[in-house]
Amino acid sequence: AQSVSQHNHHVILSEAASLELGCNYSYGGTVNLFWYVQYPGQHLQLLLKYFSGDPLVKGIKGFEAEFIKSKFSFNLRKPSVQWSDTAEYFCAVKRYGGSQGNLIFGKGTKLSVKP
Amino acid sequence: DGGITQSPKYLFRKEGQNVTLSCEQNLNHDAMYWYRQDPGQGLRLIYYSQIVNDFQKGDIAEGYSVSREKKESFPLTVTSAQKNPTAFYLCASRTGEAGYTFGSGTRLTVV
Repeated sequence: AQSVSQHNHHVILSEAASLELGCNYSYGGTVNLFWYVQYPGQHLQLLLKYFSGDPLVKGIKGFEAEFIKSKFSFNLRKPSVQWSDTAEYFCAVKRYGGSQGNLIFGKGTKLSVKP
Repeated sequence: DGGITQSPKYLFRKEGQNVTLSCEQNLNHDAMYWYRQDPGQGLRLIYYSQIVNDFQKGDIAEGYSVSREKKESFPLTVTSAQKNPTAFYLCASRTGEAGYTFGSGTRLTVV
């Protein structure tokens, strides 16, 4: 079965530190890839998505992610985190053209940024 | 503004009761989804609907039921058969190959 793995359950960083959150998926075909963020008490928001083209995708709030097809990875990065980035981050994968179009989510990574 | 409205925000259920969670969208999206979120589990798909009057089970459909009588509405009923219903429930919608739009969620607690 298709799955999405997020490497870290909880990451703690100081402000200005660099961030990289890992995401790997198991499906070998064409996929659409997403990163969502959930700030405390708020709903899921789309950070960025990859459908095709340049594998380096830039999203909102200074986040970016790189799709490496050979590694089945879509890691999220930010050069310098802020306290306001404290949230839970979810990687998600959708099979391209799949009949269901369903998103499969990783279990999430909590990011805590210390001021 | 277009979006998804979930209600209520908080819901309490007694043992053995059925409860219905509302999800309404004004985005004219064809597909709608219900996910359950538990700490450390991410989001798991309960049911989805690609079109009016049609819906399919997701990965954890047992103890839940849905209907899709109107394009804009996709209510989820948590039945007494669901043994561990306390969770955060998220509704989403999608059109074409675009990304998903999520509602703000309903937190259900069994008392």
